[in-house]
Amino acid sequence: NIVLTQSPATLSVTPGESVSLSCRASQSISTSIHWYQQKSNESPRLLIKYASQSISGIPSRFSGSGSGTDFTLSINRVESEDFSIYYCQQSYSSLYTFGAGTKLELK
Amino acid sequence: QVQLKESGPGLVQPSQTLSLTCTVSGFSLTSYGVSWVRQPPEEGLEWIGGIWSGGSTDYNSALKSRLSISRDTSKSQVLLKMNSLQTEDTAMYFCARADGYTFDYWGQGVMVTVSS
Repeated sequence: NIVLTQSPATLSVTPGESVSLSCRASQSISTSIHWYQQKSNESPRLLIKYASQSISGIPSRFSGSGSGTDFTLSINRVESEDFSIYYCQQSYSSLYTFGAGTKLELK
Repeated sequence: QVQLKESGPGLVQPSQTLSLTCTVSGFSLTSYGVSWVRQPPEEGLEWIGGIWSGGSTDYNSALKSRLSISRDTSKSQVLLKMNSLQTEDTAMYFCARADGYTFDYWGQGVMVTVSS
């Protein structure tokens, strides 16, 4: 199984800061990584697909980068609505796996 | 618009079988796949398995022996059956549309508690 390790587990920031969330894969997965946001008591929402492809309706402050084993979700100037948990997911293997998540919280 | 809605029992007894239905609208099951994902309380996401637009299925190898996913295209429904339930199967169960290999639309989820 491909293991995805997300770091940090929790990130405390103030609105207006820019942040980077990391997702590392246990083997090379090309760009087969996707990012989701999950707010409390809601379903996950797709933010970025295939490492860097934008999704219609998602604010442009969200961007993704990386390939191989190291991937990054960047949020440019965090807004109050962005405080939630972020998950990465790989589709390189037919056994899809998610990372454990990074919680973005208000400092 | 695209919608998915899960339905099923909220409480299942240990060792019994869970049956969940995902009813979709706004797209065809012969054009998109649907997967099931679960989330235990206060924990992360786990992919359970899915059925593709062509009707083939893939399962999480850790759950495969207990799982069956099927569909009824005439009713726009995807069915999940999981047997021999244990307390560790307590979770929110989501169905999600698969656009290629990403999950672009999700249902609201249904909470399943395994308890006697």
